[in-house]
Amino acid sequence: DVKVTQSSRYLVKRTGEKVFLECVQDMDHENMFWYRQDPGLGLRLIYFSYDVKMKEKGDIPEGYSVSREKKERFSLILESASTNQTSMYLCASSPPGRAREQYFGPGTRLTVT
Amino acid sequence: RKEVEQDPGPFNVPEGATVAFNCTYSNSASQSFFWYRQDCRKEPKLLMSVYSSGNEDGRFTAQLNRASQYISLLIRDSKLSDSATYLCVVNGEGTYKYIFGTGTRLKVLA
Repeated sequence: DVKVTQSSRYLVKRTGEKVFLECVQDMDHENMFWYRQDPGLGLRLIYFSYDVKMKEKGDIPEGYSVSREKKERFSLILESASTNQTSMYLCASSPPGRAREQYFGPGTRLTVT
Repeated sequence: RKEVEQDPGPFNVPEGATVAFNCTYSNSASQSFFWYRQDCRKEPKLLMSVYSSGNEDGRFTAQLNRASQYISLLIRDSKLSDSATYLCVVNGEGTYKYIFGTGTRLKVLA
């Protein structure tokens, strides 16, 4: 079974803090994704990566950056957390190629106060 | 118009009933389609891919209608454990990007 893990289930941070969310997958997948999920808005893509050190902006990259130094790990960074970044953050990975099924981690519920 | 639209529901159905959801998409170049299931406070999990000719997995049947640009999910003999939110996902031609619908909530009642 594919396993995608995320570093924290719940996180509370203060406005202005730098926040790191880590995601690790164990299936040697090339593609990894970061989404946020908000009520009424569904999942929105923040960034994705199709290879080590490669990254592409998704639909809402503002205020976020990512790092992919190793194939199995994809990190999301909030440079200066703001209250409007309070959300559920979901990491996903998928096998090589486009349009393949995605496997999600359990999510990190981030609250910025 | 949203790229992927779903009726949010909830659809309340008795155990054993048959229920169907539709999902419309706006990009006619879309190539890949999926249904995911998401339980409350959990991550989405792949339920099934949707193939051009339609496909079935046990009690679940998925259909694609390219002419009208929608996909459907039919659940037969509903179980209490089918209660969840069902997400429609569409992938654009030649892209890594997936567009998620906001989901249809199903409640199966005893």
